[in-house]
Amino acid sequence: KAGVTQTPRYLIKTRGQQVTLSCSPISGHRSVSWYQQTPGQGLQFLFEYFSETQRNKGNFPGRFSGRQFSNSRSEMNVSTLELGDSALYLCASSWGTSQETQYFGPGTRLLVL
Amino acid sequence: AQSVTQLDSHVSVSEGTPVLLRCNYSSSYSPSLFWYVQHPNKGLQLLLKYTSAATLVKGINGFEAEFKKSETSFHLTKPSAHMSDAAEYFCVVRRSNTGNQFYFGTGTSLTVIP
Repeated sequence: KAGVTQTPRYLIKTRGQQVTLSCSPISGHRSVSWYQQTPGQGLQFLFEYFSETQRNKGNFPGRFSGRQFSNSRSEMNVSTLELGDSALYLCASSWGTSQETQYFGPGTRLLVL
Repeated sequence: AQSVTQLDSHVSVSEGTPVLLRCNYSSSYSPSLFWYVQHPNKGLQLLLKYTSAATLVKGINGFEAEFKKSETSFHLTKPSAHMSDAAEYFCVVRRSNTGNQFYFGTGTSLTVIP
């Protein structure tokens, strides 16, 4: 079974631009969560989507948004990029029920110049 | 609210000696706890998880962890370190009883000395 895939793997943008990251979950998984990893803040939860609905949200500004499609694929969008948005963005998927393991993708490394 | 504290930011051990990575948790109800490992430039891999079944949890690559409610701890151990164990280790708690919001500890960097 294929794992979680994320595209692109690397991205360079400039301040003020916007970016869209994509995540394809493991087949059959309906929950997709996004995390931001930086050296200073560590791993922080952005949001979770389940069956096309946002189920949980972390403490990030509205510039960070996401969506989930009917095939469970998810996209994350960051508008008006700031230097501090440079990070590794990780996507994780699971079936969506409680007490579950999340399976992580390799991440998208975003560099904002 | 649920949270985890990893007590050591860096741990160094010699190859073949035991590994102990410490994690304390805070939870208002019976938590779901996980240990994940991240090798350089790689994604996160699940080592093991505790979800209120057996208190001693065995994971992959010889790792295990014991859930101790009285001490609110979930320490990760391995009897004998291997060079390939060098990585960043994260203790994780599920943030709520609904959904999949994980709260990550700050991580412990494990160095294995040959």
